[in-house]
Amino acid sequence: GNSVTQMEGPVTLSEEAFLTINCTYTATGYPSLFWYVQYPGEGLQLLLKATKADDKGSNKGFEATYRKETTSFHLEKGSVQVSDSAVYFCALSEDSGYALNFGKGTSLLVTP
Amino acid sequence: DAGVIQSPRHEVTEMGQEVTLRCKPISGHDYLFWYRQTMMRGLELLIYFNNNVPIDDSGMPEDRFSAKMPNASFSTLKIQPSEPRDSAVYFCASRTGTADNEKLFFGSGTQLSVL
Repeated sequence: GNSVTQMEGPVTLSEEAFLTINCTYTATGYPSLFWYVQYPGEGLQLLLKATKADDKGSNKGFEATYRKETTSFHLEKGSVQVSDSAVYFCALSEDSGYALNFGKGTSLLVTP
Repeated sequence: DAGVIQSPRHEVTEMGQEVTLRCKPISGHDYLFWYRQTMMRGLELLIYFNNNVPIDDSGMPEDRFSAKMPNASFSTLKIQPSEPRDSAVYFCASRTGTADNEKLFFGSGTQLSVL
């Protein structure tokens, strides 16, 4: 079946540090890949997505590239801010399905 | 639009009691999803509906859980009887059925504590 594996957190970084959160996936078809973010006390919201191999999704300074050869979709940001502190979820959607499979989430804490 | 609305925000109940969680999806969205979030298992899909019809309930943990969607603007998730291991945050989410728009909109969740 389809699944997503994320690096375990929590990740603690100083402001302006470089961020990488690893995500790998297993899928039978050609899934779309997503990163969602959850701020404290809120529901998840879409951060970025990529629908085919070699696509790069980007938003708010975050980027992730769909790598079919390594089945990965790592999230990166060049300079994190305190306001980026949240839980980040990698997810995939089968090409013929409508439900998302989420990873367990990676908690990020950015300190001043 | 007000977004996906869930109620209550917090629910504390005793083991054995019936719990009903409620969700109002965004108007015009024809897919509705119920997810459960715990530290141990992360975010799990319980069930989802398309045009008010349950499509996949394979994630519903056991017969104590049931979900309904009587109309396009309302869904419930019921647990009867509740158990302490049901304690979690339950999220409702909705989306359109457009094939190229896979963006899910989540509610703020219901924090359930079963004592």
